[in-house]
Amino acid sequence: QQQVKQSPQSLIVQKGGIPIINCAYENTAFDYFPWYQQFPGKGPALLIAIRPDVSEKKEGRFTISFNKSAKQFSLHIMDSQPGDSATYFCAASMGYGGSQGNLIFGKGTKLSVKP
Amino acid sequence: DTGVSQDPRHKITKRGQNVTFRCDPISEHNRLYWYRQTLGQGPEFLTYFQNEAQLEKSRLLSDRFSAERPKGSFSTLEIQRTEQGDSAMYLCASNVGGGADTQYFGPGTRLTVL
Repeated sequence: QQQVKQSPQSLIVQKGGIPIINCAYENTAFDYFPWYQQFPGKGPALLIAIRPDVSEKKEGRFTISFNKSAKQFSLHIMDSQPGDSATYFCAASMGYGGSQGNLIFGKGTKLSVKP
Repeated sequence: DTGVSQDPRHKITKRGQNVTFRCDPISEHNRLYWYRQTLGQGPEFLTYFQNEAQLEKSRLLSDRFSAERPKGSFSTLEIQRTEQGDSAMYLCASNVGGGADTQYFGPGTRLTVL
């Protein structure tokens, strides 16, 4: 049973475009939703994270939109650059719920930003 | 470099052999996690330590897998009698202690079982 579903699997945009990656979760006990960026040969690195009590969070060119009722959240990358080409993973955990906080990851979206 | 380090970065072994990986977390990080990532997939949780205590193990962690964190510092993950299905990237992450604290990942150990 896949608890976090991510789409699309791959995405190609032109420089300056706004790629949008979507995730849906099933477990309403999840209360921490981070996005990780992974370059080839590297471990994932935290990009931005959100709690379900806010609907949107911005950090630089990255924005998370969160819809608690639909159990969906998405990542928007403004003014995308070729250096943003990487694989992006959404994740979820019961981070604030007293659990150990192990992350449940989506399958990833490979983003390619063309110059 | 004060990040999470893992050793070795690559390991090629023959089916049936035992392998051991090491993870050195960020200093003073109490929690240490092991994940496994196969090609085209997101990382999957394997196990977790709070200091030296192993508090959670995923169903993915078969009896052939064992992890330790002696003295609550570095951790080792051993796979006995490796199978081709064990081929994957094994990732280690650490954080200070809160469940929602940022998990910092190491570069991973890529295991290939021939």
